[in-house]
Amino acid sequence: DAKTTQPPSMDCAEGRAANLPCNHSTISGNEYVYWYRQIHSQGPQYIIHGLKNNETNEMASLIITEDRKSSTLILPHATLRDTAVYYCIVREVGTGANNLFFGTGTRLTVIP
Amino acid sequence: GAGVSQTPSNKVTEKGKYVELRCDPISGHTALYWYRQSLGQGPEFLIYFQGTGAADDSGLPNDRFFAVRPEGSVSTLKIQRTERGDSAVYLCASSSRTGEQYFGPGTRLTVT
Repeated sequence: DAKTTQPPSMDCAEGRAANLPCNHSTISGNEYVYWYRQIHSQGPQYIIHGLKNNETNEMASLIITEDRKSSTLILPHATLRDTAVYYCIVREVGTGANNLFFGTGTRLTVIP
Repeated sequence: GAGVSQTPSNKVTEKGKYVELRCDPISGHTALYWYRQSLGQGPEFLIYFQGTGAADDSGLPNDRFFAVRPEGSVSTLKIQRTERGDSAVYLCASSSRTGEQYFGPGTRLTVT
């Protein structure tokens, strides 16, 4: 059963920020929000994760609302190579339930 | 360093045949995962190893599917009496005990 809801597709102009939303209204207190992406014909790639604070790394930023019921992945300057399916996943860490439930994700197309 | 590798990259087999798919995880990673991805869908969890033992095999669809990891490193996914519905990309991932999952490129299995 899906724990997250994402729009099926989005477009973004090259060089602009891509903001990918995710709803996870049933998230529990010990579940993290993870983002992975999958470029065509490749395996999924880890992007970022967070619990309740906003997070930033070299790839993206993750903004989690105060009630933790939704989040947004931000790619600050999208390039053509960012075209991929982006998956938002909620997951407990350290409890033994280690598998990832991917859902169908958001297909992001970066347009030249 | 080397990432997760999977062999073969493509496998075509006839219905009813037996196949083995191999996964070489990142050196030192104790956890190993198998997922299956059908066209247009996100990856679906099959089985998770912690060391040599299968810690969670709840995703295996039926008893035709079996996986081993005898020395806690390389893993083999085995499918007996293949069916056309088994056609998919089979993905392997590895991680440190509580770390992020790193995925291989997958094996595309086609059952004719």
